[in-house]
Amino acid sequence: DVKVTQSSRYLVKRTGEKVFLECVQDMDHENMFWYRQDPGLGLRLIYFSYDVKMKEKGDIPEGYSVSREKKERFSLILESASTNQTSMYLCASSFRRMNTEAFFGQGTRLTVV
Amino acid sequence: GNSVTQMEGPVTLSEEAFLTINCTYTATGYPSLFWYVQYPGEGLQLLLKATKADDKGSNKGFEATYRKETTSFHLEKGSVQVSDSAVYFCALLNQAGTALIFGKGTTLSVSS
Repeated sequence: DVKVTQSSRYLVKRTGEKVFLECVQDMDHENMFWYRQDPGLGLRLIYFSYDVKMKEKGDIPEGYSVSREKKERFSLILESASTNQTSMYLCASSFRRMNTEAFFGQGTRLTVV
Repeated sequence: GNSVTQMEGPVTLSEEAFLTINCTYTATGYPSLFWYVQYPGEGLQLLLKATKADDKGSNKGFEATYRKETTSFHLEKGSVQVSDSAVYFCALLNQAGTALIFGKGTTLSVSS
């Protein structure tokens, strides 16, 4: 089975802290995605990566950065956490080709206080 | 650009009722279409998919048909169960396989 693993299920951080959310997949997928999920807004794409060291901005990249140094790992970085970044963060991965589904991690619920 | 619009919830049904959740999309070329489900406290799971016009995806009693003429991919189930209570997301993958776009999700609540 495909496995996408996010490093934490729940995280509480203080305003201004630098926060790292880690995601690892074990299926040699080219694509990896970071979404945030908020009530009434659905899933919004923050960043995605289609290859090692490659990244593309999604719909809401402000306040975030990403790192993909190895194919299996995609990190989301909050440079200076703010309360409006309190959310559920979902990582996903897929092959980079037509017709293929994405696989999701369990999500990280981040609270910034 | 690509976008997905799905009916707003919540949808509240009694057990064994018929379910329809509407989904329409805007896309260039020939996207693939998906329904994902999110049970409470969990990540998203693929429910079904269709990759070309007139394809019907099905799983666990749920069905959806890719209708290119109406740019729709409506989710249906003939008889819902309490265990179907979840949030359902319609999504499209662009032809290049790089952009996965979601609708806002529809919450389904089924009571016995």
